[in-house]
Amino acid sequence: EVQLVESGGALVQPGGSLRLSCAASGFTFRNYEMNWVRQAPGKGLEWLSYISSSGTTIYYADSVKGRFTISRDNAKNSLYLQMNSLRAEDTAVYYCARAAPSPLRWSAFDYWGQGTLVTVSS
Amino acid sequence: EILMTQSPATLSVSPGERAALSCRASQSVSTNLAWYQQKPGQAPRLLIYGASTRASGIPARFSGSRSGTEFTLTISSLQSEDFAVYYCQQYNNWPSFGQGTKLEIK
Repeated sequence: EVQLVESGGALVQPGGSLRLSCAASGFTFRNYEMNWVRQAPGKGLEWLSYISSSGTTIYYADSVKGRFTISRDNAKNSLYLQMNSLRAEDTAVYYCARAAPSPLRWSAFDYWGQGTLVTVSS
Repeated sequence: EILMTQSPATLSVSPGERAALSCRASQSVSTNLAWYQQKPGQAPRLLIYGASTRASGIPARFSGSRSGTEFTLTISSLQSEDFAVYYCQQYNNWPSFGQGTKLEIK
């Protein structure tokens, strides 16, 4: 069974940093592209970042470019999101999501974690 | 950036009836369109990808269609567990989501 479990969410002050983790199991993690998506309270979904299976190709949404860094450790079956210079508007539930196998650059997200809450407030 | 516009924002339908949810892309996304279902406190679940292909384990009452840049998710006979928020997502380019349609019990 495919499982994605996020952790690391917390209450952090504006300007602070946080590192989220996503532990993957039930599939060959090193073969899959991964993404981070967030959802502000009561709002819709926002794609944040993509990383290729090898980690060599990375993309970011403009809203987090320069502040967030996606990475992965295939030996540990883990995905990460380093978040710096956090703002109040970064308050959200953060999900890791697996990209469905596809010959295209982008694909649908076929499995999601349960999410971890990040609250940015003083 | 490709903008995805969903309508209506809220749809009230009785159990057993048919529901049709719409999603419009601001430019062509080909068939690179997915639909997700999200229930309160839960992560989104993939329903449809490639505009019309059901994901694994998704009941046949869910179907997707495309006409140009207009996409429709149809639920043929609503069950109690279908009342939720539905999002469309394009993945033809940098992924982007619609704002969601809340499907509520009438």
